[in-house]
Formats: sequence, C-alpha cells, structure tokens
Amino acid sequence: AQSVTQLGSHVSVSEGALVLLRCNYSSSVPPYLFWYVQYPNQGLQLLLKYTSAATLVKGINGFEAEFKKSETSFHLTKPSAHMSDAAEYFCAVRLFGNEKLTFGTGTRLTIIP
Amino acid sequence: KAGVTQTPRYLIKTRGQQVTLSCSPISGHRSVSWYQQTPGQGLQFLFEYFSETQRNKGNFPGRFSGRQFSNSRSEMNVSTLELGDSALYLCASSSAGLAGNEQFFGPGTRLTVL
Repeated sequence: AQSVTQLGSHVSVSEGALVLLRCNYSSSVPPYLFWYVQYPNQGLQLLLKYTSAATLVKGINGFEAEFKKSETSFHLTKPSAHMSDAAEYFCAVRLFGNEKLTFGTGTRLTIIP
Repeated sequence: KAGVTQTPRYLIKTRGQQVTLSCSPISGHRSVSWYQQTPGQGLQFLFEYFSETQRNKGNFPGRFSGRQFSNSRSEMNVSTLELGDSALYLCASSSAGLAGNEQFFGPGTRLTVL
C-alpha cells in the first residue's frame, strides 16, 4: 500500500521568500507523484506531476518539485512567494494502472505581507 | 474544453435521508473517481468508474454507492445519511489508460447533514 506524509499542517512565509512544502511517500513500487492546490470553496488544481521522467519537475505558477528516491521525498518549492499563493496544498501518490490517488493531509500556506 | 462539472454545488439534508450527486466529466474522459473531503479525515477515495464498471473502491460502508452512464456521466448516492457524511464531495475525471495521466477535479458538492 502507498501513503503520503506532509510535514507541517501550516506554513507561513513572507511575500518574496522561498516556499518549501515537504512531502514524503511510501510505496512498494515506483509511484507517480502529484502536487495539487486548493483555494477556498474550490476543487483541486494540479500544480505538477512526476511520472518517472525527469526528477526535477516544473509546474504552473513558478512551482517546482524534485523527486528523490533515496529520501522518498517530493518537496514542493517556489523561489519567491506571492500573495496569491495562499491556499492549501496536497501531495498525492498513485500507482501505475490505478486511478486511485492517495493524498497527504495537506499544508495550509499563509503569505505574510 | 469544458471542465468537470458537479451538481448541485450545495446541499442540505437531514439524518436518515438519501442524496444523489452528479458529475459530468471532461469530454472524452472515460474514468470518473469520487473523493470525500472532511476536516478530520482529509481527502479519501470513494470509488472509480470506467466504461460503466466500478474498477476500484475505497473503504466506505455500503451506504455509499455510485454508477456511471454510457456517456461517462457519473452519480454517487448516499443512503441513510449520518451527521458524519457532511463533507465536500469531489469528482475527478481522467482519460485513463495512459501512464501518468492526470485527474481533473470538479468544484465539488458541499453536503451538510443536519
């Protein structure tokens, strides 16, 4: 079975500072990994995905994530936070041939002006 | 291309009633998955339908059921509602069959059980 752990249910950063949201996964086979963002009263929007190609993945809105197999991590980063980045972020894992996404508990990102 | 649509967006029911939620996937997508989101349990997988067949099921009681029609539209039903069923129910569609294909989520239906 696969699982995802997101360290830090709440993260606050100043506008213009580095954003780092942590995600560690557990899977018996090579997984697909995803980061989703959720704004209030909305569904989930895909930021980026890892599907066993390049280990450094670039997504929308300036976000990127690096797959590190040795650390079983897939941390999300953005060099400079913007007020519009305030939202909840979810890391998710999926196995090949299976549509089921297993989500982490989420990290609420607050941007301090 | 239109996104995933869910109806209704908001619903209020009382304990013991039943409810049906609807999801229309992106045109051409044949896989539809349902998730329940609550503050306590987070995002949990309910089930997935592909070509009118349930392919995968999460760990929910039999009160939760679903179906998919020939046009890929899907419905989920919850019978004998309990207070704990209050949640945001999200539907996601994908083209399936492709390695690493992504799921596109709808805006959700917020169900409140009184």
